[in-house]
Amino acid sequence: SQQGEEDPQALSIQEGENATMNCSYKTSINNLQWYRQNSGRGLVHLILIRSNEREKHSGRLRVTLDTSKKSSSLLITASRAADTASYFCATELNSGNTPLVFGKGTRLSVIA
Amino acid sequence: GAGVSQSPRYKVAKRGQDVALRCDPISGHVSLFWYQQALGQGPEFLTYFQNEAQLDKSGLPSDRFFAERPEGSVSTLKIQRTQQEDSAVYLCASSLTGGAGYTFGSGTRLTVV
Repeated sequence: SQQGEEDPQALSIQEGENATMNCSYKTSINNLQWYRQNSGRGLVHLILIRSNEREKHSGRLRVTLDTSKKSSSLLITASRAADTASYFCATELNSGNTPLVFGKGTRLSVIA
Repeated sequence: GAGVSQSPRYKVAKRGQDVALRCDPISGHVSLFWYQQALGQGPEFLTYFQNEAQLDKSGLPSDRFFAERPEGSVSTLKIQRTQQEDSAVYLCASSLTGGAGYTFGSGTRLTVV
């Protein structure tokens, strides 16, 4: 079963705009991770935010975590056509000995 | 190697055939996971190894699925008597320790006809 739910399921924006994707989950977690998947490829780890963190940045990526609402958001600023991919959130219940639980993903299309 | 390597990249199997999917994790990575990803869905957990020990196989959908990692490095996922519903991408991921993100392979796309 999948714990995370991403919202929206699909998002289409113009190059240069910001893209925001949301993720909700059901149980307490150790950390939440965001992954990117290009069509037909494996997943690439983007960023990890721990349960005691509220916000994290990496380049054009900004992730927030609200454990009281059991939700996270991924913001991609100044999007590029190369950002076109599916984005998944995944929760890790404990550090290292439990599997990641993925949502269904958001399919982002960035139009040049 | 530099990344997680999976082979074959694509596999077409006739219904009822047995298949074996291979995963070469990053050298020294302790944790190894297998996931199944159906078209348009997120990956779903199948099984987890820590070194050679299979610590969790609760995600394996039936007793036709079997995984091993005998020497704590390369892992094989075997599916016996394949069915059409087994068609999916099978992803392998490894990490040195947990809580730091995982490196995924490119997956094996299995099509059962």
